[in-house]
Amino acid sequence: DAGVIQSPRHEVTEMGQEVTLRCKPISGHDYLFWYRQTMMRGLELLIYFNNNVPIDDSGMPEDRFSAKMPNASFSTLKIQPSEPRDSAVYFCASKAGGRETQYFGPGTRLLVL
Amino acid sequence: AQKITQTQPGMFVQEKEAVTLDCTYDTSDQSYGLFWYKQPSSGEMIFLIYQGSYDEQNATEGRYSLNFQKARKSANLVISASQLGDSAMYFCAMRGGGFKTIFGAGTRLFVKA
Repeated sequence: DAGVIQSPRHEVTEMGQEVTLRCKPISGHDYLFWYRQTMMRGLELLIYFNNNVPIDDSGMPEDRFSAKMPNASFSTLKIQPSEPRDSAVYFCASKAGGRETQYFGPGTRLLVL
Repeated sequence: AQKITQTQPGMFVQEKEAVTLDCTYDTSDQSYGLFWYKQPSSGEMIFLIYQGSYDEQNATEGRYSLNFQKARKSANLVISASQLGDSAMYFCAMRGGGFKTIFGAGTRLFVKA
């Protein structure tokens, strides 16, 4: 079975540009999580969805960040405008309802110059 | 407020020996879950083991076991018979109310031949 798929795997952009990160959860999983990993702050939960509905977005750093889940097999995390401090690895994870384990995608390494 | 503490930034262990990675937590939730993830140098997050707050038995998964001491609020990971491939970052995490998950700062394990 395919795991969580994230694209792109690497993104280099300039400050002020819009960045869109994509995630395809494991088929049948109804929870989707977006995390950010930096050296300074470690792994932080940004937002999570259940059945395509955002449940907790308290970790979204500011209005420049937005996340959507238009259907059960696709989610996006958008940063507009991007800033150098947004440079990080962004992970998407999914889990099945009734199960505890979150399965992580390979991550997107974002560098904002 | 929820908190996860991993006090060992780095640990060394001889190949084939056992090692314990420490994790303490704080939460006011009655129901919660504790996880350990492994992050090798390639960057992916690999689920290792899960312990529910109401589970009376310590969780085990192959060479991994979780030493759960609820009164002390600790959830230490024990790796038996260490292998060179165990060299990685190890993260303790806690799922509190809902599925909001927080991660510790991590412990880097070095396995010596």
